[in-house]
Amino acid sequence: EVQLVESGGTLVQPGGSLRLSCAVSGFTFSNYAMNWVRQAPGKGLEWVSSMTESGDNTFYADSVKGRFTISRDNSKNTLFLQMNSLRAEDTAVYYCAKASPDVLTGYSLYYFDYWGLGTLVTVSS
Amino acid sequence: DIHLTQSPSSLSASVGDRVIITCRATQSMHRYLNWYQQKPGKAPKLLIYAASSLESGVPSRFSGSGSGSGTDFTLTISTLQPEDFATYYCQQTYSTPYTFGQGTKLEI
Repeated sequence: EVQLVESGGTLVQPGGSLRLSCAVSGFTFSNYAMNWVRQAPGKGLEWVSSMTESGDNTFYADSVKGRFTISRDNSKNTLFLQMNSLRAEDTAVYYCAKASPDVLTGYSLYYFDYWGLGTLVTVSS
Repeated sequence: DIHLTQSPSSLSASVGDRVIITCRATQSMHRYLNWYQQKPGKAPKLLIYAASSLESGVPSRFSGSGSGSGTDFTLTISTLQPEDFATYYCQQTYSTPYTFGQGTKLEI
């Protein structure tokens, strides 16, 4: 059974830092690209960041570029999101999601087929 | 950036109804369009990927289609069931940022 479990969310002051983790099981982690998606209270889904299987390629939303860093430890089956210079508008539930590839082209970020339950990050003084 | 506009933003329907939700993109993205269902307090769930492929385990009353232009897509629920009342999102993975539509809230 595929499982993704996020952790690390908490209350943090503006300007502070936080590191989120996503521990996965039930699939070969090193074979799949991974993602972070967030949802502010009462709002829609917002893609945050993606990383390819090997970690060679990373992608970020403009709203977090330069402040957030995605990484992964394939030996520990864990995805991370380092969040710096946090702002009130970063307040959200953060989900990690597994990507599945386009089997015809090998494009690794075709769709997000498994999601964790999310972890809440609140940025407030 | 590719912007996705869903319509309607909200919809009232009854059990047994046929419902169609549309997603229009600002540029062609071929078939890199996915649909998700989200219930309150829960994580999103993949329903349809690659515009029209049904995710394993998803009931066949859900279907997706796309136009030849690669900009217009639809999610159809053929016969609404009580458990289908939720919010639905389209998402493009053709190019970063991987944008989502604003969501369609389906209510009783």
